[in-house]
Amino acid sequence: EIVLTQSPGTLSLSPGERATLSCRASQSVRSSYLAWYQQKPGQAPRLLIYAASSRATGIPDRFSGSGSGTDFTLTISRLEPEDFAVYYCQQYGSSPWTFGQGTKVEIK
Amino acid sequence: QVQVQESGPGLVKPSETLSLTCTVSGASVSSGSYYWSWYRQPPGKGLEWIGYIYNTWSTNYNPSLTSRVTISVDTSKNQISLKVNSVTAADTAVYYCEASGGHWGQGTLVIVSS
Repeated sequence: EIVLTQSPGTLSLSPGERATLSCRASQSVRSSYLAWYQQKPGQAPRLLIYAASSRATGIPDRFSGSGSGTDFTLTISRLEPEDFAVYYCQQYGSSPWTFGQGTKVEIK
Repeated sequence: QVQVQESGPGLVKPSETLSLTCTVSGASVSSGSYYWSWYRQPPGKGLEWIGYIYNTWSTNYNPSLTSRVTISVDTSKNQISLKVNSVTAADTAVYYCEASGGHWGQGTLVIVSS
C-alpha cells in the first residue's frame, strides 16, 4: 500500500499569499495518478487536480499541481477567502487507492 | 453532467449489514464511461477509499474491507449499491459515492449503534 504523507499539517496564511502544499509518497505513484481535493466543513471533497498537474473542470487557474514519482506539490498562487479549507492528496495508480492525512489551510 | 446521490439508513445496529444506494443521473451505470467508487470519512477524520465497480461487473476493494464489502450495480434503476457486513462502531462515517472525474455525492452519515 502506498502511504501518502502531507506537509505541513496546518498552514496559516493571509488572503493574497501563496500556499505551497506537499504530498510525499512511500513509493513511486504509477503514471502520476495523483489527485488533489479541497474539502470544506460539511461538504464533499471537490476535485481540483488530477494526473498530478491537470486542473479539473471549473477550477480557477490560481490552483496548480506539479511533481512526479514520489514528490508532489499543490500551489495556490494567491489565496482567496474561499480557499481556506482542508486539502487532501490521493493516489489512484495502485490498489488500494490511498489518501494523505490532509493539510488545513487556515486564516492567519 | 453526471450526478450521484447517496441514500440509506442513517442508523445501523452492530453486527448487522449496512446498505446504501447511489442513484445516478446524467449517465448510465452500464456505459463503461465511469468508475463508480465508494469512500467514507469517519467524523473529524480523513478519507478512505472503499472500492469501485466498473463495467457493471469488475470490482476492486480495499484489502482492509474486502471480506465485508460488496459493491454492485442495478442497471434497471441506474443505481450503485454498497453493502458492508458485520458492522461495528468503527464503521460510523459519512459515506460518499463518486463517478470518476470528481463527481461526488453530498454524502450520507451512517451511525453504528445499538
